[in-house]
Amino acid sequence: AQSVSQHNHHVILSEAASLELGCNYSYGGTVNLFWYVQYPGQHLQLLLKYFSGDPLVKGIKGFEAEFIKSKFSFNLRKPSVQWSDTAEYFCAVNAYSSASKIIFGSGTRLSIRP
Amino acid sequence: GAVVSQHPSWVICKSGTSVKIECRSLDFQATTMFWYRQFPKQSLMLMATSNEGSKATYEQGVEKDKFLINHASLTLSTLTVTSAHPEDSSFYICSARETDANSPLHFGNGTRLTVT
Repeated sequence: AQSVSQHNHHVILSEAASLELGCNYSYGGTVNLFWYVQYPGQHLQLLLKYFSGDPLVKGIKGFEAEFIKSKFSFNLRKPSVQWSDTAEYFCAVNAYSSASKIIFGSGTRLSIRP
Repeated sequence: GAVVSQHPSWVICKSGTSVKIECRSLDFQATTMFWYRQFPKQSLMLMATSNEGSKATYEQGVEKDKFLINHASLTLSTLTVTSAHPEDSSFYICSARETDANSPLHFGNGTRLTVT
């Protein structure tokens, strides 16, 4: 069965620091990969997604993620974070064979110090 | 962009009663909708996959007789929590995908259920 691991439960950074959030998945076949963000008191929003093609994916608000198939990873990055990036970030995977259901990681809470 | 409307946003009910939560795709058709449950400070747990015109597929450990799902049209899925108990108190979130299998999920704002 597919699963998603996010090893960082809570990350605290200062503004302008660089960010990298880890995401690893377990599934040997073709996958679609996603990063979602949940700002305090709001619903989930899609940050970026990878289906195929260029493994370096650019999303909204300056975020990007790189799919490394050999490492089963899809880490999220941002070169310079802002206070407004404070939120919960969820990595998710959809395996082609699993009838479209998407499995989420446990989430990483990002706190940015102003 | 695609919008998913979830109603109500919060509800308080007494133990033993049933609560219905609606999930609508406002500007697109969704053959598949998903129901998640989010515990405080935890991730989303997929409860079931709702397919228009057919029975929902429940994840292991989710009681289908307790969490009734109906997906009667391409724009509406409902989750009914039957005979609710305090342990059912949680945040329930629906999501919907457009008919293109490569499209991302769009999420509703969620429903905070409190069972007293």
